[in-house]
Amino acid sequence: GENVEQHPSTLSVQEGDSAVIKCTYSDSASNYFPWYKQELGKRPQLIIDIRSNVGEKKDQRIAVTLNKTAKHFSLHITETQPEDSAVYFCAARANAGGTSYGKLTFGQGTILTVHP
Amino acid sequence: KAGVTQTPRYLIKTRGQQVTLSCSPISGHRSVSWYQQTPGQGLQFLFEYFSETQRNKGNFPGRFSGRQFSNSRSEMNVSTLELGDSALYLCASSLVGGGDEQYFGPGTRLTVT
Repeated sequence: GENVEQHPSTLSVQEGDSAVIKCTYSDSASNYFPWYKQELGKRPQLIIDIRSNVGEKKDQRIAVTLNKTAKHFSLHITETQPEDSAVYFCAARANAGGTSYGKLTFGQGTILTVHP
Repeated sequence: KAGVTQTPRYLIKTRGQQVTLSCSPISGHRSVSWYQQTPGQGLQFLFEYFSETQRNKGNFPGRFSGRQFSNSRSEMNVSTLELGDSALYLCASSLVGGGDEQYFGPGTRLTVT
């Protein structure tokens, strides 16, 4: 089955710096890669996603890049702010159908701390 | 639109008991997926329902089961609770579950003593 590795497990940056979180996946059939932000005691919140027919996607200070050949994708946050502090999870899902319906395979999470 | 809701938010149960958790998806969403979140194992997929049918199941024992009703609301049940079942149980809804986004509910925090 799919396996997703996420690095680093913790990341500490100063306000205004950039933060990068990287994930690798094992199943070449995976074609959907969302990123979730989870603040303490709250639900995971979808912040950005990318599909395998796209190499990069941006939404204001957040961007995601995908390298299908290397099977890795990354989250980039620019001009970080203290409110960006949270746990970030990457995930991967294979094509719809078969054993893939609804199944997101998650990385272990990255604790991001942005110091004022 | 109202978001995904889950009830109850907190539960304390004793080993050997059973528990039922409920999830109401976003209006119009027909797919509901369930996940278990623990500090050690992270977020793990339990199962997914669409049109009252289980379409996919993760690697959990048969003590974990679920169902979906005609209004897309879903329940999951855990029988013969074990200490290791203590976790945050999250459900996520999506339109049809095939290639679209999943939105999570707030979760049910289950503690087994």
